[in-house]
Amino acid sequence: GAVVSQHPSRVICKSGTSVKIECRSLDFQATTMFWYRQFPKKSLMLMATSNEGSKATYEQGVEKDKFLINHASLTLSTLTVTSAHPEDSSFYICSARDPGSPTNEQFFGPGTRLTVL
Amino acid sequence: RKEVEQDPGPFNVPEGATVAFNCTYSNSASQSFFWYRQDCRKEPKLLMSVYSSGNEDGRFTAQLNRASQYISLLIRDSKLSDSATYLCVVLNQAGTALIFGKGTTLSVSS
Repeated sequence: GAVVSQHPSRVICKSGTSVKIECRSLDFQATTMFWYRQFPKKSLMLMATSNEGSKATYEQGVEKDKFLINHASLTLSTLTVTSAHPEDSSFYICSARDPGSPTNEQFFGPGTRLTVL
Repeated sequence: RKEVEQDPGPFNVPEGATVAFNCTYSNSASQSFFWYRQDCRKEPKLLMSVYSSGNEDGRFTAQLNRASQYISLLIRDSKLSDSATYLCVVLNQAGTALIFGKGTTLSVSS
């Protein structure tokens, strides 16, 4: 099946720093990518929809100035957590929809575990 | 009412058991439904799509009841490797994003 990669897989940073997470679709072009966040024992929550060449669409309650999304190419979307705080510690997962999939399947990256000290 | 609701479990069953998970969704206009599997600290992976007529994939059977807005997953002859969290997922009305339930945790023991 289609492959989506994420980098880094794990990051530990100090409060106040910014962290960039990359999401790449490796064998298909994705005009749309999605960013999710998952807190322990909670469901995945959609944060934003990343559209290649245009501004991301953020879900209600997600600060667009804190979570910067850039979808500069058909295979790469980045999420930057600016001025991270301990409450931003979470599992961040991206996904990409394969336009060639007849079932609207989204393929998920392996996730990035962020710990803010 | 939450958009997608699941019984969180955990379900603790012996190998070989049959176990069923249920899920309800709130938006009657939802068109596509899925079951994903998530292992601990890993990303979700598609287990199977759910079709109106019901569908089966080996030991796994998925059912959809649109009138009741209810989705189910049946696992027969449970294996140790089936231990995971099973996520009920609905494609939103606009067809643009997936809505996840909190998941149901299954633990299969020998």
